[in-house]
Amino acid sequence: AQSVTQPDIHITVSEGASLELRCNYSYGATPYLFWYVQSPGQGLQLLLKYFSGDTLVQGIKGFEAEFKRSQSSFNLRKPSVHWSDAAEYFCAVGAQGNDMRFGAGTRLTVKP
Amino acid sequence: DTAVSQTPKYLVTQMGNDKSIKCEQNLGHDTMYWYKQDSKKFLKIMFSYNNKELIINETVPNRFSPKSPDKAHLNLHINSLELGDSAVYFCASSQGLRNNEQFFGPGTRLTVL
Repeated sequence: AQSVTQPDIHITVSEGASLELRCNYSYGATPYLFWYVQSPGQGLQLLLKYFSGDTLVQGIKGFEAEFKRSQSSFNLRKPSVHWSDAAEYFCAVGAQGNDMRFGAGTRLTVKP
Repeated sequence: DTAVSQTPKYLVTQMGNDKSIKCEQNLGHDTMYWYKQDSKKFLKIMFSYNNKELIINETVPNRFSPKSPDKAHLNLHINSLELGDSAVYFCASSQGLRNNEQFFGPGTRLTVL
């Protein structure tokens, strides 16, 4: 079965700085990959997804992610973080016929 | 125009009680899910369901049961609540295969005393 690891439990960045959140997956074939964001007290919102094609995926709110098969990674990036980006970020991996698995999440704190 | 809605948003109850959480989606999706998010924010799927099959995560106690009166609703019934059931429960829906984009409800925070 597929699995996903988010190595960073908590990351703090300054407003305006760049951001990269790491995600590594384990699956034998090409997975379906997702990034979700959860603001405090809210449900999860999809930021972006990768199924196939261009390995650099653009999402909402200025986020992008790059699928690197050789590294089994799908890292999330944003060039300039805003205070409103403070939230919990979840990477998820799906596979044909199997349920989606979520990583443990990375909490992002944005310093003024 | 909430896509996926859940009620109640908060639920506080005593150990041993039976409770239900309701979920409705107005997206026309054919697959719905229940997730449990524990205190460490870890998300675990409990059930996925469409009009053809119910997939139960084998680790979910049989005190938990999903009930779907129609395609737009998937309610979660919990019998004999235990302290360890305290968590946030999320409903989600998608169209088609389980790994298509899932839309999540706002969550129900269940506290068992």
